[in-house]
Amino acid sequence: DAGVIQSPRHEVTEMGQEVTLRCKPISGHNSLFWYRQTMMRGLELLIYFNNNVPIDDSGMPEDRFSAKMPNASFSTLKIQPSEPRDSAVYFCASSARRGGVSYNEQFFGPGTRLTVL
Amino acid sequence: QKEVEQDPGPLSVPEGAIVSLNCTYSNSAFQYFMWYRQYSRKGPELLMYTYSSGNKEDGRFTAQVDKSSKYISLFIRDSQPSDSATYLCAMRNDYKLSFGAGTTVTVRA
Repeated sequence: DAGVIQSPRHEVTEMGQEVTLRCKPISGHNSLFWYRQTMMRGLELLIYFNNNVPIDDSGMPEDRFSAKMPNASFSTLKIQPSEPRDSAVYFCASSARRGGVSYNEQFFGPGTRLTVL
Repeated sequence: QKEVEQDPGPLSVPEGAIVSLNCTYSNSAFQYFMWYRQYSRKGPELLMYTYSSGNKEDGRFTAQVDKSSKYISLFIRDSQPSDSATYLCAMRNDYKLSFGAGTTVTVRA
């Protein structure tokens, strides 16, 4: 299995531009998570999907952030407009959830390093 | 106060030493306790998880949980340069993981 795939790996953009980050979870996993990692705040959960449905978006910092999961094999995290304080590493992770029980292991992708100038 | 507190280090030890890492937490609802390892510019990977208080061993790694004190530890025996990484503790309540800040460990050859 290829693991969780994220693209792009690096993104440099200017303030005000739209940024779209992409994630392909592990086949068969039905839970997907977007995280943000910064030196100041560590690793924070932004949004959680189960069976393609957003369950918890309480970590999304502002309305400038949006996430979608149109099918079981693809998710996007969009920032519009981007700001310098959005600079961070964004991780996507997936796991399995069966019968209402979450499995322990969340498999993380390699991350997208975002720099907003 | 953060839900999970972890000393960010950094920690530098000679090869073969025992590495001791720990975290404290405040939320009694946490059910599972985990340690993730993160190499530079990579995603975190799960090292160990425990559910109940006590010890769990896996090779050179030992995880300890003391729920009464809200304290967890990770010990790495016979540390190797390949163990150089950032170690993050994490605690789970249902689907949600809460992470510590991570401790950066360097094992010197």
